[in-house]
Amino acid sequence: AQKVTQAQTEISVVEKEDVTLDCVYETRDTTYYLFWYKQPPSGELVFLIRRNSFDEQNEISGRYSWNFQKSTSSFNFTITASQVVDSAVYFCALKDNTGNQFYFGTGTSLTVIP
Amino acid sequence: KAGVTQTPRYLIKTRGQQVTLSCSPISGHRSVSWYQQTPGQGLQFLFEYFSETQRNKGNFPGRFSGRQFSNSRSEMNVSTLELGDSALYLCASSSQGFEQYFGPGTRLTVT
Repeated sequence: AQKVTQAQTEISVVEKEDVTLDCVYETRDTTYYLFWYKQPPSGELVFLIRRNSFDEQNEISGRYSWNFQKSTSSFNFTITASQVVDSAVYFCALKDNTGNQFYFGTGTSLTVIP
Repeated sequence: KAGVTQTPRYLIKTRGQQVTLSCSPISGHRSVSWYQQTPGQGLQFLFEYFSETQRNKGNFPGRFSGRQFSNSRSEMNVSTLELGDSALYLCASSSQGFEQYFGPGTRLTVT
């Protein structure tokens, strides 16, 4: 069965600090896809990144970076020099290769204090 | 391209009533998925439609149903509403089965 675990329920950091959001997944599939979404207070989930299981290359996009490690089944998300606008709930998700069903973690609520 | 739209944005219903929510996907997207989001249960998958056919279904009672039209617009229906159905209902569309793009959601309150 597919499962995504985000052990950090809430995180608070002071502006300009770096913060890492953890994501651990479980799947028996050899081909799968991992995602991160941001849900600001407005409620709409915003797509951030997709990573394929066969591509372990880490990615950086501005202040955001993602560390994908198949050996530990983790797909962690780091925000560098956090800003107040980063305050949101962040969800990690897994999609297998057999359908279009996404499995979401329970989310991590990030608060960036000015 | 216009994003995913959902109507209505807010809804208040009474126990026992039924409700229909609507979702218009991004132009060209043929897959539409529905999720229920509550503080206690997080994001739970309801069902997915592709080319007017239900392709996947989550673990929800039969009171929750949906359909998709030929223009890919989708509706979900909840009959005999219960207090526990109060939630944010999110619709997402995708193309080629990759990332899903979400709408703003419909916040349903059952009193």
